Amino acid sequence: EDQVTQSPEALRLQEGESSSLNCSYTVSGLRGLFWYRQDPGKGPEFLFTLYSAGEEKEKERLKATLTKKESFLHITAPKPEDSATYLCAVQAPGSQGNLIFGKGTKLSVKP
Amino acid sequence: DAGVIQSPRHEVTEMGQEVTLRCKPISGHNSLFWYRQTMMRGLELLIYFNNNVPIDDSGMPEDRFSAKMPNASFSTLKIQPSEPRDSAVYFCASSPSGGPPLHFGNGTRLTVT
Repeated sequence: EDQVTQSPEALRLQEGESSSLNCSYTVSGLRGLFWYRQDPGKGPEFLFTLYSAGEEKEKERLKATLTKKESFLHITAPKPEDSATYLCAVQAPGSQGNLIFGKGTKLSVKP
Repeated sequence: DAGVIQSPRHEVTEMGQEVTLRCKPISGHNSLFWYRQTMMRGLELLIYFNNNVPIDDSGMPEDRFSAKMPNASFSTLKIQPSEPRDSAVYFCASSPSGGPPLHFGNGTRLTVT
């Protein structure tokens, strides 16, 4: 069964304290791995797509990387406004676009 | 861009009542998805449409759930009769032809008492 597992479930950081979130996946023939940010009361907001091992994408303080079994979302010198739940998803094999989501990592950044 | 628009934002109803959730996808997007989010199970796909045609409804939990997409700019998700275990946040998402990423609306929080 295709699965996406994120860790940790929750992460508390001090402002400026860099860290990484993990997303491990078991899916045959990965067609794409996606990172989303979700704020309370809002829908998930797209951040990155990664397609192949070794690929990296960056946006402000966030950098996403991909290996054959997992992806990392690195957060450098986070600020309180980075507090949110970060979701990882993979495209289901043979699908026309539907995504399988992990349960997310809830990040809190304290000033 | 208006983004994906869902209504209502909140719905509180009593067990046994019919509930209809509505979605307007982003103009020009060919695929539409309905997801349900709960603390226990996270985001789960219920059904998705491609060019207004249902492609995969294997995630629809029971016959009490039905979804329609009468045209490219409108979709509904109906629950009849509703039950307390249906309480969740329901999201609609759309994507252009060719696949992800999906663009999500802000959801409908459904509470069934």
